[in-house]
Order: sequence, then structure tokens, then C-alpha cells
Amino acid sequence: AQSVTQLGSHVSVSEGALVLLRCNYSSSVPPYLFWYVQYPNQGLQLLLKYTSAATLVKGINGFEAEFKKSETSFHLTKPSAHMSDAAEYFCAVSDRRAQKLVFGQGTRLTINP
Amino acid sequence: NAGVTQTPKFRILKIGQSMTLQCTQDMNHNYMYWYRQDPGMGLKLIYYSVGAGITDKGEVPNGYNVSRSTTEDFPLRLELAAPSQTSVYFCASRLSSGSGADTQYFGPGTRLTVL
Repeated sequence: AQSVTQLGSHVSVSEGALVLLRCNYSSSVPPYLFWYVQYPNQGLQLLLKYTSAATLVKGINGFEAEFKKSETSFHLTKPSAHMSDAAEYFCAVSDRRAQKLVFGQGTRLTINP
Repeated sequence: NAGVTQTPKFRILKIGQSMTLQCTQDMNHNYMYWYRQDPGMGLKLIYYSVGAGITDKGEVPNGYNVSRSTTEDFPLRLELAAPSQTSVYFCASRLSSGSGADTQYFGPGTRLTVL
């Protein structure tokens, strides 16, 4: 069965520093992978998704993620953190029947001034 | 275009009470989903629907019921509320292209407390 593991339930970085949020997946078929962001007291919105067109995927707000099949990873990065990036981030993989998403546990990102 | 809307935003229930969480989407999406979010646990799928009249269980369906009589609406029913159902509930929808690459669009959530 498909699954994702997000390493680190809480990540804290300084404003202007690199953001790196880790996601590893398990899938028996070529996966579709997603990163969603949840701002406080809001629903989830899509940051970016991997659909096999390109291994480096660019998303909104300066985020990007690289699909690495050999490492079964899809880590999310942003070169320079901004205070507005403080949120919870979820990695997800589509199930084999392409009907459902399986979400990771989430990583809460805190930005220090 | 309002997207996915959920009502109510907040609700406090007593143990044993019943309620229905409402979800409506105006994007003509065929798939709809109900999730619950508990701290540190990510999102768990409760039920989903691939079209009007068709529903299926997700990972945590016990204590909940759903129906889908129209494309737009996908209500979630709690029959006998229990403290374990205290959570934030999200509804989502998606237009299926047949692949797993479609984006799910989420509502703003309903925060439910059962006392």
C-alpha cells in the first residue's frame, strides 16, 4: 500500500534561512506526489505536485520539490524563509486506484525573526 | 465561484447527540471526500464518493455515515457523538481525469468538540 513518512513533526528556521521539509514515500507503482500547506485555522491548499513530467517541481510562494526515485524522496525546499511561510505542511501520495490521497503526519514550520 | 464550503465552522456537542456536517462544492467535481484531522496525526479519510449515489469507506469510517444524492452536496452524519470524535473535519473535492494526479480542493473545516 502507498504511504508517506514526513521526518520531523516540527521544523524551526530563521527568517531568510533555507527551508527543508522531508518526505519519503512508499509506492508499488510510479507515484503521484503532492505537497499541501495549511495556514492557521484554514483548509489545505496545494503547493505543488509531481506527475512524472519533470523531477524538479516548482510551486507557489517560491517552494520547490525534487522527486528522487532512488531515494524514494520528495523533499520540499525554499531558499529563503519568510515569516508568512509559518504553517503546517503535508506530503501526500495518490493510491494505486487513483481515487484517494494518503497523507503524511504533517510538519509544522516555525519561522524565527 | 465559492469552491468548497462547509457549515458550521464550530460546534459543541454533548455525548450521544447527533449532527450533520454540511459540505457543498460548486465546481462540478465528481469526487468528494471527508477527512478528520487530529494533532500530529495528519489527515485520515473517513468516507469518499466518486459520484452521486456512490460512496465508499475510508480509513476511519466507524461512527459516521454519508450520503450523496447530488453532485454538489456530501453531508457527513454523526449519529451518537463520542469524545473520540472531537476533531477538525475537512471536506474536499476533485475533478477526476482518471489519473491520480488531480488536485483535491479543501473546504475551511468544521471544528467539532464532543463533551
